[in-house]
Amino acid sequence: KQEVTQIPAALSVPEGENLVLNCSFTDSAIYNLQWFRQDPGKGLTSLLLIQSSQREQTSGRLNASLDKSSGRSTLYIAASQPGDSATYLCAVEYGNKLVFGAGTILRVKS
Amino acid sequence: NAGVTQTPKFQVLKTGQSMTLQCAQDMNHEYMSWYRQDPGMGLRLIHYSVGAGITDQGEVPNGYNVSRSTTEDFPLRLLSAAPSQTSVYFCASSQYGQGDNEKLFFGSGTQLSVL
Repeated sequence: KQEVTQIPAALSVPEGENLVLNCSFTDSAIYNLQWFRQDPGKGLTSLLLIQSSQREQTSGRLNASLDKSSGRSTLYIAASQPGDSATYLCAVEYGNKLVFGAGTILRVKS
Repeated sequence: NAGVTQTPKFQVLKTGQSMTLQCAQDMNHEYMSWYRQDPGMGLRLIHYSVGAGITDQGEVPNGYNVSRSTTEDFPLRLLSAAPSQTSVYFCASSQYGQGDNEKLFFGSGTQLSVL
């Protein structure tokens, strides 16, 4: 069964800290991997998409890496800000289907 | 450019009632999908479509029907609502198979309660 796991389930850090969110997947035959942000009561917003042939993608203070052979991806957030507080979800695409992790709830304290 | 629009935002049903959740996108995306989000379980795929006239089942299709008569619209039908269908429902679309354009765009969700 294709499963996606995110660790930790929740994370609380002081403002300014660099942090790493982890995502692991059981089936390495992926098409791509996406990281999403979800604010309370809202839909999901795609942050970064990494194709299966790529190793990383960067957008501003965000950097996502992909290691297919080990079934892992990380989302690195530099110089965290209170506005980064949200739930971050990892999703792996297999053919026509995305499999989501349960998410990491991030709180950045000012 | 409205993106992905879902209606209604909130709905309360009694067990056995039927209803349709509406989803429309104005980005000419080929791929559309429905997910449900339950606490601690992430999002699970209900049904998806890769183009008008084509639909397929996802991970949790039982109790739900879909159709795709146009590129823009992808309604989700609950034929006989059950309390287990209480959840938040999200519609999403993407320009499937177009590189970076494969990013998935989500609607704002429908919170459904079945009593």
